[in-house]
Amino acid sequence: AQTVTQSQPEMSVQEAETVTLSCTYDTSESDYYLFWYKQPPSRQMILVIRQEAYKQQNATENRFSVNFQKAAKSFSLKISDSQLGDAAMYFCAYRGGGGSEKLVFGKGTKLTVNP
Amino acid sequence: DTGVSQNPRHKITKRGQNVTFRCDPISEHNRLYWYRQTLGQGPEFLTYFQNEAQLEKSRLLSDRFSAERPKGSFSTLEIQRTEQGDSAMYLCASSRRYSGANVLTFGAGSRLTVL
Repeated sequence: AQTVTQSQPEMSVQEAETVTLSCTYDTSESDYYLFWYKQPPSRQMILVIRQEAYKQQNATENRFSVNFQKAAKSFSLKISDSQLGDAAMYFCAYRGGGGSEKLVFGKGTKLTVNP
Repeated sequence: DTGVSQNPRHKITKRGQNVTFRCDPISEHNRLYWYRQTLGQGPEFLTYFQNEAQLEKSRLLSDRFSAERPKGSFSTLEIQRTEQGDSAMYLCASSRRYSGANVLTFGAGSRLTVL
């Protein structure tokens, strides 16, 4: 079974600085998708960024970018120019490419942004 | 686009009672998902519908859990004979398929507390 591991339960960053959240996963599949979701306190989860495993180019969305290392099964999220509104739980998630719609989530990393 | 709506937002019940949660997805989304999130954990997949058909179901979904999506619109998740271990946030999400991985839009969740 696929597993997703987020080894940092909590991280903190100064406003305007850069922070990297780690995620590793375990799978025997070659085709799959990876996601980072953000869950602000008492608010719904929203997609931050996604990566298709067949794409070698790392995904970017404005201040958010990923470092996708397929061989190492690593998928880290970099947040540049951190803002107070970035404070949230961040979940890494995996979805296989074999037709299952199931997302497997990590336990999350709580990000605090200090002014 | 009014987002994914979940009701009730909070439910407190006594052990052994039945509870039902409702999810109204985004109107043009034909896919609907239920996840369960316990404190300190990432969401766990429960089940998935495409239109009215329940296509995937987790082993986490015991016989006490049932989900329906009549007419492919709203969905209900019923838990019979609730147990304290059922206390969790129940998240609903919906998506519209396009090329590549589906992007899920989550609701705010329904929090269940079983006394």
